[in-house]
Amino acid sequence: NAGVTQTPKFRILKIGQSMTLQCTQDMNHNYMYWYRQDPGMGLKLIYYSVGAGITDKGEVPNGYNVSRSTTEDFPLRLELAAPSQTSVYFCASSPLAGRGDYEQYFGPGTRLTVT
Amino acid sequence: GNSVTQMEGPVTLSEEAFLTINCTYTATGYPSLFWYVQYPGEGLQLLLKATKADDKGSNKGFEATYRKETTSFHLEKGSVQVSDSAVYFCALSPLPNSGGSNYKLTFGKGTLLTVNP
Repeated sequence: NAGVTQTPKFRILKIGQSMTLQCTQDMNHNYMYWYRQDPGMGLKLIYYSVGAGITDKGEVPNGYNVSRSTTEDFPLRLELAAPSQTSVYFCASSPLAGRGDYEQYFGPGTRLTVT
Repeated sequence: GNSVTQMEGPVTLSEEAFLTINCTYTATGYPSLFWYVQYPGEGLQLLLKATKADDKGSNKGFEATYRKETTSFHLEKGSVQVSDSAVYFCALSPLPNSGGSNYKLTFGKGTLLTVNP
């Protein structure tokens, strides 16, 4: 199993450009998530999805969009990139677990710089 | 709302030293608790977890005990190695129907550990 894969690993964008960060998981997990990690700030949830066709906003959704057309894929779209979106982006997935121990499996991350 | 507070870093230790990273939480009822580790240049991976009070999670020599009376889940290791150098995150998943979405984790800010030979 590849687990959670993300592409690209690194990207430099100019202000105002757009791009899509790709995320794929091969574990048939229902739940998927996008986080951003800023230095010294931990992880902040951008968007999440509880299944194909269903997405919802997290803590910091402004400037981003997502879609979930399949169980496997959960791309994150940045429109009109801004320097404040410079960060490391992590995709994660989790299975439909029992009591509440929704262990999340993380991808390796995409390091994005907007200049 | 739910929150996780963990000790500020960075923490620098010599090899074979004892490690404690403190973590306390605020949540309704008894959430599930996790420690994640992030090695340099990688994503987070689950280190250990505990799903009910007094449970002890353990993995790779690390341990943490779920203490409901002090709402804590401190991470410990008796003898650290250089290869343990990483960022450690404490996280919680709330109980179902406790007012939070239990499939969303709340993370602490992370503690950077550096172990010198």
